[in-house]
Amino acid sequence: DGGITQSPKYLFRKEGQNVTLSCEQNLNHDAMYWYRQDPGQGLRLIYYSQIVNDFQKGDIAEGYSVSREKKESFPLTVTSAQKNPTAFYLCASSIAEGRREQFFGPGTRLTVL
Amino acid sequence: GQNIDQPTEMTATEGAIVQINCTYQTSGFNGLFWYQQHAGEAPTFLSYNVLDGLEEKGRFSSFLSRSKGYSYLLLKELQMKDSASYLCAVRDFGQNFVFGPGTRLSVLP
Repeated sequence: DGGITQSPKYLFRKEGQNVTLSCEQNLNHDAMYWYRQDPGQGLRLIYYSQIVNDFQKGDIAEGYSVSREKKESFPLTVTSAQKNPTAFYLCASSIAEGRREQFFGPGTRLTVL
Repeated sequence: GQNIDQPTEMTATEGAIVQINCTYQTSGFNGLFWYQQHAGEAPTFLSYNVLDGLEEKGRFSSFLSRSKGYSYLLLKELQMKDSASYLCAVRDFGQNFVFGPGTRLSVLP
């Protein structure tokens, strides 16, 4: 089955620790995205990548970092510099041409204690 | 600036029709998307409009007016399982997607 996987579904970390969220897709999509969703708010773009070894900052990139070493994988690191990291994180992918509707992973709910 | 507005909440009755509106102001326009998101789950794609007019897909239809910066999602023959949040998103230039806050729809028996 083709799709996007994110792990873990729930993650707890202590304040001051870096944490890396996994995102893997086997849809052969070139473009991948990371969003953050807070209660009552829409999705906000953190980072996106159109091709391997290249990525662009979104609206709220501060305190986050990414890598795109493989087409299938786009991990997100939430660093200690992120002031309010507790949120629901969604990874998505799309083809790089045409309509480009996004396919989303199941999300990771991060709670920083 | 980038801005997308949607009503925060709507309530409708099973079997009825509901229209969810979306207005947008973005720096560019390369298509408007509607997604459905059940609580705690990932959004799933519903519809796409890039030209003015109505796109119909079963019980769901979506309309776009680019000159007015306006779209709506029309849901017919509402079912209980349609209770969810509905997200309006615009792709501006390049790969940037701007999402609205979402409209939480409650379908009552």
